[in-house]
Amino acid sequence: RKEVEQDPGPFNVPEGATVAFNCTYSNSASQSFFWYRQDCRKEPKLLMSVYSSGNEDGRFTAQLNRASQYISLLIRDSKLSDSATYLCVVNGWNNNDMRFGAGTRLTVKP
Amino acid sequence: GAVVSQHPSRVICKSGTSVKIECRSLDFQATTMFWYRQFPKQSLMLMATSNEGSKATYEQGVEKDKFLINHASLTLSTLTVTSAHPEDSSFYICSARYWTNEKLFFGSGTQLSVL
Repeated sequence: RKEVEQDPGPFNVPEGATVAFNCTYSNSASQSFFWYRQDCRKEPKLLMSVYSSGNEDGRFTAQLNRASQYISLLIRDSKLSDSATYLCVVNGWNNNDMRFGAGTRLTVKP
Repeated sequence: GAVVSQHPSRVICKSGTSVKIECRSLDFQATTMFWYRQFPKQSLMLMATSNEGSKATYEQGVEKDKFLINHASLTLSTLTVTSAHPEDSSFYICSARYWTNEKLFFGSGTQLSVL
């Protein structure tokens, strides 16, 4: 089993759609969880941290399920500019390194 | 927000030469820096974790003698690709973190092309 696993997609959705991504992790001791977005040939940029109680930032909602060891990202009212690869990041096994999922590719179409 | 500066942004070199990439945290002290490699249409692959003042920890399959990492200060880490070959051509990205469990800040990446 991979340490951090994501559905690679691609997800192709129309503008205005709601789309959700999941990410599972193998280390039950992980403490920190993040969603990053990466545009082609650019560095990843932090989208949001994921907190135990769940958190929302505008059209984006992140949730953590520790029992099932997954985090999710929900995007409402998709915009063309949301097209990117979304990376799930989980802090690592010795609490020092960070592990990335392979990313989920999202394309929002007009 | 915190800024991580990485340069050069693009390098083209001949096979057999060495290339140094710098990663600087500009407005915070980075206790840990990470180096990644990304091939086209693939995910980021962690190469090594670097802590200031100590030896880097390399991921399995990454040759430490080929990818030399130096983290001499809390604001600077360097990655040197020694005796580069065409198969080393890739997008290299660094990231830095102030403290454990804190979010990462990324450099803008270096596109290395070895001819």
